Amino acid sequence: EPEVTQTPSHQVTQMGQEVILRCVPISNHLYFYWYRQILGQKVEFLVSFYNNEISEKSEIFDDQFSVERPDGSNFTLKIRSTKLEDSAMYFCASSVTRGNEQFFGPGTRLTVL
Amino acid sequence: AQSVTQLDSHVSVSEGTPVLLRCNYSSSYSPSLFWYVQHPNKGLQLLLKYTSAATLVKGINGFEAEFKKSETSFHLTKPSAHMSDAAEYFCVVSDRGDYKLSFGAGTTVTVRA
Repeated sequence: EPEVTQTPSHQVTQMGQEVILRCVPISNHLYFYWYRQILGQKVEFLVSFYNNEISEKSEIFDDQFSVERPDGSNFTLKIRSTKLEDSAMYFCASSVTRGNEQFFGPGTRLTVL
Repeated sequence: AQSVTQLDSHVSVSEGTPVLLRCNYSSSYSPSLFWYVQHPNKGLQLLLKYTSAATLVKGINGFEAEFKKSETSFHLTKPSAHMSDAAEYFCVVSDRGDYKLSFGAGTTVTVRA
């Protein structure tokens, strides 16, 4: 059964460093998403991406964040200068259509020291 | 705007007894509703979804949920809990045609032998 994959599973970085989180969505899906879950808090929407552009973003998704689909399979989230409060589990998801179920990857746990 | 309230942060049941996880939602439009499950150190897995067909929705692993528009509820049930049901459960809403999913705070289920 096809699944969303994410790498790395755990990333540790120093405050102020750039990180790139990688995701491979399900191959026939057209919509891609990033969510995050800070420890003990709700899963929060960050951004959605369709047709090579951002379709919606939350207020969390500021200028420090960017997304890219550099080739036909990968979908990346870049945090330009990490802060302590960026420590969270980051989930990638994909879907065939808008408003339908989204399939999630296993997550990347980001720890900012 | 859409939102979800999960009425119980923690539910503890004995193996073989029924499970009830309560969820209320608010949505501006006709919503899609989902239940996702997260086992320890795993990603988010879709249990079931409601997208305006039958109001009683059956999902995987014996779970089902009933959409009640008059009560704005989407409670999740299972007649007989199994040890493997111990996990975090999220009620999720999406306005039809919207990009993002809005998550509830989650309900942790523990199953006693």
